[in-house]
Parts: sequence; C-alpha cells; structure tokens
Amino acid sequence: GAVVSQHPSRVICKSGTSVKIECRSLDFQATTMFWYRQFPKQSLMLMATSNEGSKATYEQGVEKDKFLINHASLTLSTLTVTSAHPEDSSFYICSARDDAGFTYNSPLHFGNGTRLTVT
Amino acid sequence: GNSVTQMEGPVTLSEEAFLTINCTYTATGYPSLFWYVQYPGEGLQLLLKATKADDKGSNKGFEATYRKETTSFHLEKGSVQVSDSAVYFCALSEGAGGTSYGKLTFGQGTILTVHP
Repeated sequence: GAVVSQHPSRVICKSGTSVKIECRSLDFQATTMFWYRQFPKQSLMLMATSNEGSKATYEQGVEKDKFLINHASLTLSTLTVTSAHPEDSSFYICSARDDAGFTYNSPLHFGNGTRLTVT
Repeated sequence: GNSVTQMEGPVTLSEEAFLTINCTYTATGYPSLFWYVQYPGEGLQLLLKATKADDKGSNKGFEATYRKETTSFHLEKGSVQVSDSAVYFCALSEGAGGTSYGKLTFGQGTILTVHP
C-alpha cells in the first residue's frame, strides 16, 4: 500500500533554533501534500497545502515565515519551524494524495507524525 | 465553512460490546465523508469512506452510512475487540468545484478503549 515516511518521529530543540521535518511518499508521486498540527486531545488542524514546484498555500492564522514549506520534488515536502518557541511544541503530521487517479474523494495517506518539543 | 462534530470521548467498552461514534457535519456542496483511525504511535489510516448520500462504507466490521437528511455519518461496529482501541476521526472532503477542493476537515477525534 501507499506509504508516507515522516522524519524525525521525535525532536527536542532549544528555543530560538530551527527544526526541519521531512515528509516522503515512498511508492507514489504526490504533487500535493498537506501539513497538519495536532494539539493534545484535539483534532488535526490544517496548516498548509504544499504544492510541488510552487508556493505553499497557508491557512488563515498560520505564519508563513515561521512555518516554511518546501516541496522540492514529487516525493518530498519539508516543513521547517523557524526560531522555535515552546508554544510551537506540538504533533505535526503530513499527508499526501497519490497523483494516480486523484479525485476530491481520494483518501489521504498519512505519515506517523513528528513530536516537537521546544525547551 | 465546513465543519465536523464528533461525540465527546473517551469511550470505554468491554470486548464484544456494540460501538457507535456519532458524527455530524456541515458543508457546502456535496462532500465525501471519511472515517480515519489512529492506532497508538502510528499515523492516521483510512478506515472507510462514502462519497454520496445513502452510500454505506464498511471495513474490518465497521460501517457508516452517509445520511444527507440528518447530515450524519455515524460509525458502528457490532462487536468490538481490544485491538480496536484507537482514536477515530470523522472527516469530510469538499466536492469538486468547491473552494476547498480536496482538503480534509476533521472532527476532534474520539478515543476508544476496549477492555478484555
């Protein structure tokens, strides 16, 4: 089945540093990937839509300069949390939709998430 | 805008009990509806989906019926197992032509714990 690999699974960083999270589709191509943030006991909040070869589309209220997204190829998107602060601590999840046969009701394939802790 | 509301959790059941997790939605157009499951330490996996009114999605003994008249997509299973313990998310994807084409809107998730 379709596999999305997200790395790292856990990261602890100091306040003020930057952290990069990678999201790879291992056996399919994904022109579009999505980045979500999940708060404890809360739902997934869409942060941005990552588009290969073009700028990401950010949801309202998400700081573009803090959460940098780069979709360098059809199998890789990265999220960089810049100048991280403790309030950025959260669970970040990426997802991708297989380009083959894509329609609006095609299921998303999710990575296992990255637990970010900023100290 | 689109929204999904799930029943409050957590839900705790004994093995072989009947499960219902309620889900209602608001959306423009004709959304597709999904249930995703997140097992401990893992990412989300698609459990089942329905793409139009009166469709029934089913998988692994779980089922849900797309009810347009009540804007609901309740998840049911007749006999749960310990291995079903997970977080369950109801979600919708706006139909073709909508401004949110292809995006998923999630409910808040319901934690299910099944005891032997």
